[in-house]
Amino acid sequence: IQLTQSPSSLSASVGDRVTITCRASQGVNNYLAWYQHKPGKAPNLLIHRASTLQSGVPSRFSGSGSGTDFTLTISSLQPEDVATYYCQQLISYPLAFGGGTKVGIK
Amino acid sequence: EVQLVESGGGLVQPGGSLRLSCAASGFTFSTYALHWVRQAPGRGLEFVSAISNDGDTTHYANSVRGRFTISRDNSKNMLYLQMGSLRLEDMAMYYCARKFGNSAYDYWGQGTLVTVSS
Repeated sequence: IQLTQSPSSLSASVGDRVTITCRASQGVNNYLAWYQHKPGKAPNLLIHRASTLQSGVPSRFSGSGSGTDFTLTISSLQPEDVATYYCQQLISYPLAFGGGTKVGIK
Repeated sequence: EVQLVESGGGLVQPGGSLRLSCAASGFTFSTYALHWVRQAPGRGLEFVSAISNDGDTTHYANSVRGRFTISRDNSKNMLYLQMGSLRLEDMAMYYCARKFGNSAYDYWGQGTLVTVSS
């Protein structure tokens, strides 16, 4: 299973709504997770099972989708959200990641 | 507090070997599957290998199958990755991660850097 993320990078203003998409080459049901990765730090789980917010993650992050098409939304972009975001499928091995979306501030 | 601490990275020549370790604490080690994930310079995250909670089942990325071996010692709360026939493209930060159910990796270590160079 291959995951295609888009866009590969984006730049938005503080307070903007940001949407990242992840498309799977075949259905993964809802076995999809989203991670945030900042340079020099360990990746951080944001969303699991496509739409379940991980404990401690701000509510401005949300996930949706099922099957092959998924979305990560940041409802109001904050400076601390500057990072690269990855989707990952967990339905079959190898547990592939998407190529990543680098999010910056205008 | 759940902690995963990797060690064993370093500089190795192409064709060489290295063993990475991941020391776990703060949870019942023997009840979780554990994985290795890497990030090469300028690249994205890549699944490397996985091992079931009891060590009976393993999985590998095609790029490392036959060269890397994952193992664990549930009596010591340790995860390992034996890396052999190392290539330039294996140079990366290697992370160990805890997998919960079939849902996601909920905890990650800080990583250990493997440099492959002559």
